[in-house]
Amino acid sequence: EPEVTQTPSHQVTQMGQEVILRCVPISNHLYFYWYRQILGQKVEFLVSFYNNEISEKSEIFDDQFSVERPDGSNFTLKIRSTKLEDSAMYFCASSDGQINSGNTIYFGEGSWLTVV
Amino acid sequence: AQSVAQPEDQVNVAEGNPLTVKCTYSVSGNPYLFWYVQYPNRGLQFLLKYITGDNLVKGSYGFEAEFNKSQTSFHLKKPSALVSDSALYFCAVRDINRDDKIIFGKGTRLHILP
Repeated sequence: EPEVTQTPSHQVTQMGQEVILRCVPISNHLYFYWYRQILGQKVEFLVSFYNNEISEKSEIFDDQFSVERPDGSNFTLKIRSTKLEDSAMYFCASSDGQINSGNTIYFGEGSWLTVV
Repeated sequence: AQSVAQPEDQVNVAEGNPLTVKCTYSVSGNPYLFWYVQYPNRGLQFLLKYITGDNLVKGSYGFEAEFNKSQTSFHLKKPSALVSDSALYFCAVRDINRDDKIIFGKGTRLHILP
């Protein structure tokens, strides 16, 4: 069964450093997402991406965050200058169509980011 | 605003007994509802969804959920629990203001006692 794959599975970084989290969505999918889950809290939407541009972003997704689809397979989340409160599990996800058309979002295993 | 509520932080069930994980929703318009499961140190796995049609939806691993419009609920059920069902379960609803976003509940930890 096709999967969303994410790397790294775990990264420890110093506050102020840049981090890039990588994702390979399911191959025929067109919609891409990043969600995050701070330890013990709910899963929160960060950003959605379609047709090479951001469809929507949450208030969490400030200027420190950016997303990119550098080639036909990868989808990356960059945090320019990490803060302690960025420590979380970051989930990449993809879907082959819009939710309103009855499609499903499939998630990766997550990248656990620890900022020290 | 759209939202889902999972009133229980944790549910404990003995192995072999039926289990229910509760979810209620608040949506203007037709709700699209989802259940996801997160096993320890793993990602979110899709279990099932309700879009339209039969109120009883069957999903992966023997789980099912019943859409109840009058009670605005979408409880997850399984007739006979397994220890391996122990995990964190998330209910989610589509954001009707966006075509491509879902909103998660806070999650319910299901603990199956051997």
